[in-house]
Amino acid sequence: AQTVTQSQPEMSVQEAETVTLSCTYDTSESDYYLFWYKQPPSRQMILVIRQEAYKQQNATENRFSVNFQKAAKSFSLKISDSQLGDAAMYFCAYRSKGAQKLVFGQGTRLTINP
Amino acid sequence: DAGITQSPRYKITETGRQVTLMCHQTWSHSYMFWYRQDLGHGLRLIYYSAAADITDKGEVPDGYVVSRSKTENFPLTLESATRSQTSVYFCASGMDEVETQYFGPGTRLLVL
Repeated sequence: AQTVTQSQPEMSVQEAETVTLSCTYDTSESDYYLFWYKQPPSRQMILVIRQEAYKQQNATENRFSVNFQKAAKSFSLKISDSQLGDAAMYFCAYRSKGAQKLVFGQGTRLTINP
Repeated sequence: DAGITQSPRYKITETGRQVTLMCHQTWSHSYMFWYRQDLGHGLRLIYYSAAADITDKGEVPDGYVVSRSKTENFPLTLESATRSQTSVYFCASGMDEVETQYFGPGTRLLVL
């Protein structure tokens, strides 16, 4: 069974600086999808970024980018120019190709210091 | 565009009572899901549905029942609520096995 591990329960960063959230996963599959979801205090789950495992190029969405290391089974999220609105829980998630089940990590709580 | 909605947003009930959580999506997505979120566990899949009248168990299905008579609705029923079912419940939907899942706002359930 696939597992997702987020080893940083909490992180903090100064506003306007860059922060990287870590995620590792365990799978025997070669084709799959990886996601980062943001959960602000409102508890809404918001998709931040998505990566297909067969794509070597790292996904980017504005200030959010990932470092996808397939061999190391690592999928970190980099947030550049951190803003107060980035404060939230961030969840890393895995999905097998052809399956719908999302497997989530335990989450990392990100605090932005003004 | 309402997207995906859940009701109620907050619910307090007692042990042994039946509770139904509603989920409605306006995108005509084929797939719908129910997750529960507990401290230390992230989100865990309870049940999912690939289409109307097709449902399947997820990781933690015990104590829950689902149905899907219409594509847009996917209610989750706790037939006899237990304290261990106190949690935040999220409904999600997706177009197909490739498309990203989109989440509702969640329902916070407290079982006394």
